[in-house]
Amino acid sequence: AQKITQTQPGMFVQEKEAVTLDCTYDTSDQSYGLFWYKQPSSGEMIFLIYQGSYDEQNATEGRYSLNFQKARKSANLVISASQLGDSAMYFCAMRGFSGGYQKVTFGTGTKLQVIP
Amino acid sequence: KAGVTQTPRYLIKTRGQQVTLSCSPISGHRSVSWYQQTPGQGLQFLFEYFSETQRNKGNFPGRFSGRQFSNSRSEMNVSTLELGDSALYLCASSRSGTSGGAREQFFGPGTRLTVL
Repeated sequence: AQKITQTQPGMFVQEKEAVTLDCTYDTSDQSYGLFWYKQPSSGEMIFLIYQGSYDEQNATEGRYSLNFQKARKSANLVISASQLGDSAMYFCAMRGFSGGYQKVTFGTGTKLQVIP
Repeated sequence: KAGVTQTPRYLIKTRGQQVTLSCSPISGHRSVSWYQQTPGQGLQFLFEYFSETQRNKGNFPGRFSGRQFSNSRSEMNVSTLELGDSALYLCASSRSGTSGGAREQFFGPGTRLTVL
């Protein structure tokens, strides 16, 4: 079975500062993928960044980077230079095997609020 | 390039009825996955279709079913609706599918289903 844990239900960050959203995962798979998504109040899920378990470099996409620590089973999202538009729910997700099938499992999310 | 589209956006049904939701993936994407999002259970994976075949499935009862057409459009059907089926239903598309190790998965705006 696979599990994603996001321990921060809510966070505040000052505009223009960096923020780290925590994500730990549990899986017995050797090959898996980790995703981060943003969900604004409008409800649409927006893909942010992906990290494969065999990727040697940490993934980066613009202001988003993924701090991947395989031994610790963590995949934290770092947002640099926060903007007001970053206020949203953020979900960490993992693709792996569960019950004989591959599927994507999501964490419970972190609500980020950017303060002017 | 058009994104993932879902129809209808909003739907109100009564207990015992059935409902069909539609999802059109991004052009060129062959995988469509369906998710249910509720305040209590969060985001849960329903199933994935790739090249008209169900490749992966989550832990939902048989009342939830789906199919994919040759043009990659997918439909999800829920029979004998229950109050607990009220949720935001999201579909997502990717090129290679979860089994193939998709590095990106793009979501549609969702269909909000209310069961009275």
